[in-house]
Amino acid sequence: GAGVSQTPSNKVTEKGKYVELRCDPISGHTALYWYRQSLGQGPEFLIYFQGTGAADDSGLPNDRFFAVRPEGSVSTLKIQRTERGDSAVYLCASSLSPRDVTEAFFGQGTRLTVV
Amino acid sequence: GQQLNQSPQSMFIQEGEDVSMNCTSSSIFNTWLWYKQEPGEGPVLLIALYKAGELTSNGRLTAQFGITRKDSFLNISASIPSDVGIYFCAGQALYYQLIWGAGTKLIIKP
Repeated sequence: GAGVSQTPSNKVTEKGKYVELRCDPISGHTALYWYRQSLGQGPEFLIYFQGTGAADDSGLPNDRFFAVRPEGSVSTLKIQRTERGDSAVYLCASSLSPRDVTEAFFGQGTRLTVV
Repeated sequence: GQQLNQSPQSMFIQEGEDVSMNCTSSSIFNTWLWYKQEPGEGPVLLIALYKAGELTSNGRLTAQFGITRKDSFLNISASIPSDVGIYFCAGQALYYQLIWGAGTKLIIKP
C-alpha cells in the first residue's frame, strides 16, 4: 500500500484478554516505531525496530507488552492480560532511513478499548 | 513519560484569524518538529527545525526554533476551516525517539 497500514482500526476487548495489533509499514522501510497515545495526550515512545531486531524497547510499560518483526516488514504488538489502563490509540510509524525518525510516516492507529 | 509543555490546550478562533502556539522543554533538543493530527488519523509532519534560531515556513505556517533550544512556536496565518485539528510539537531526543507535547486543539468558530 501507499502508506503505513494498521489493523484493526478499532479493538474492544475484555480485561484480562490477550490482543495483537498489526502494523504494515511502507514497503522498503527498514525502521519501524510504535507509539502509544492516551486520550488528550501526545504519543509516547514504546519500541523501535531496525530491521528485524528491537533496537530499543525501553518504552514498553511492563512485561505484558511485547512486539515482534520477524521478517523485517510487518510488526505485531502483543499485549497480555489487558488492563483498562491499556486503553489508548497505538500508533505505528516507519521510515526509509534507520537513523532519522523525523522522516517517519505514521499509520492511522489502532484504538484499543479494554472494558 | 516525559512530555513537552505545549500551550494553549485549545483555541477557538474565527476564520481568517492568525493563530499562535508554543512549546517549551526543560531539556535541550537539536531538532524540533510540528505535526498535525486529524480525527482517526496519525500525525502528519508539517515543519521540521534543525538549527537554533531557525525560522521556517510552509505555506501559511511559520515555525521557529528557539535560540535556547528549549522552545519552539508555530504560527498559522489567515486560518481556514481545514486548519481544524490537533497540533503537536515534538523534540527529537534520540535519532529514533520523539518526545511530544500534549497538543493544541484548533477549533474554528462558526
